[in-house]
Amino acid sequence: DTGVSQDPRHKITKRGQNVTFRCDPISEHNRLYWYRQTLGQGPEFLTYFQNEAQLEKSRLLSDRFSAERPKGSFSTLEIQRTEQGDSAMYLCASTLNTEAFFGQGTRLTVV
Amino acid sequence: GIQVEQSPPDLILQEGANSTLRCNFSDSVNNLQWFHQNPWGQLINLFYIPSGTKQNGRLSATTVATERYSLLYISSSQTTDSGVYFCAASSGNTPLVFGKGTRLSVIA
Repeated sequence: DTGVSQDPRHKITKRGQNVTFRCDPISEHNRLYWYRQTLGQGPEFLTYFQNEAQLEKSRLLSDRFSAERPKGSFSTLEIQRTEQGDSAMYLCASTLNTEAFFGQGTRLTVV
Repeated sequence: GIQVEQSPPDLILQEGANSTLRCNFSDSVNNLQWFHQNPWGQLINLFYIPSGTKQNGRLSATTVATERYSLLYISSSQTTDSGVYFCAASSGNTPLVFGKGTRLSVIA
């Protein structure tokens, strides 16, 4: 296993369209996190899963955002009716209760 | 929740110089990590260091948990060390909280 993998690496979408990102964690890791990072800022927490259960959501996660982790393996993050303010880097991380490892991120641009 | 503050926000060094980056956190932690964000945006793990001291080549880190701070030392800096360094901390089972980062520029 080579680490956390995210797909796609880049996404350009028109305002109002829906987008979906995928994250494949390190295989034995039980926790999976989604973060968002805007220019000049540190990553901000969005939501996390322990196995298939979504345990916490940030207030940043509006009702246009939904995340799933079926079967406790890969996870998807969907953004509906995208807005220009959704433009950011979306980062996924996984951990086995200690050190967290991050994927390469998906850079979303909403035009 | 935990607050994480990093200083300085920006640092410019001549190649070969040493530097110290600081991370203060507001509560006791059981996870503290240092990352280097590469130009493509990926967060590269440097240290997992909730307490104590670790060294990896020219980099070392120390966390004094009782005083709620961590330091990242970079010795003999190289241009490839340039980028943004993040500290992130958490307590219990809460998610990592990141600081705003220190942007390091090493000039030849």
